[in-house]
Amino acid sequence: QSVLTQPPSASGTPGQRVTISCSGSSSNIGSNTVNWYQHLPGTAPKVLIFSNDQRPSGVPDRFSGSKSGTSASLAISGLQSEDEAHYYCAAWDDSLNGPVFGGGTKLTVL
Amino acid sequence: QVQLQESGPGLVKPSETLSLTCTVSGGSISSYYWSWIRQPPGKGLEWIGNIYYSGSANYNPSLKSRVTISVDTSKNQFSLKLSSVTAADTAVYYCARDRDGSGSWLDYWGQGTLVTVSS
Repeated sequence: QSVLTQPPSASGTPGQRVTISCSGSSSNIGSNTVNWYQHLPGTAPKVLIFSNDQRPSGVPDRFSGSKSGTSASLAISGLQSEDEAHYYCAAWDDSLNGPVFGGGTKLTVL
Repeated sequence: QVQLQESGPGLVKPSETLSLTCTVSGGSISSYYWSWIRQPPGKGLEWIGNIYYSGSANYNPSLKSRVTISVDTSKNQFSLKLSSVTAADTAVYYCARDRDGSGSWLDYWGQGTLVTVSS
């Protein structure tokens, strides 16, 4: 059981906007920043969002992140077939004294 | 462009020590933290630990008694040793550059290497 809770799956059609949630607690998301990763099986995971809402250079602005209280969200607009992947959230946890990850959300582009 | 590559045995016997090395290219290992993360089959990501280029390491409390992470700046490499392995340690192991030392912001990753624990 992961410390951060994500829905196991999400889906959308090309062009749609999809949101993936990440729920935590006061010891992790509530007091620390959230990072998001995209992972295609067999490849290296890629950071999409860092520090809640910052995009690394090269990440399309179709990807955006937000945080409110003890939850965070990743939004993908203008969904494309190449967005089909697993998405993970991560944050530092003050109680566990280490980083924690969500269980991952598999995004399917229909 | 920084690139990371994991290397090491893909099969380890139960009770033995898992040893992996991560080679960093395209940039210096200096001035950064470097992490190990793993993903058991069908499960999520788990942070194992990290090390600063100076040699100071931090470990996941749940694995701390079995883990050692070391760094060799002359070879631009860092390494993972996990002792007394069991089938539960079977996973894809990733190395990554740890941007702020927290283990949660990892900006460059290796492709990962599958390590199976089996006799």
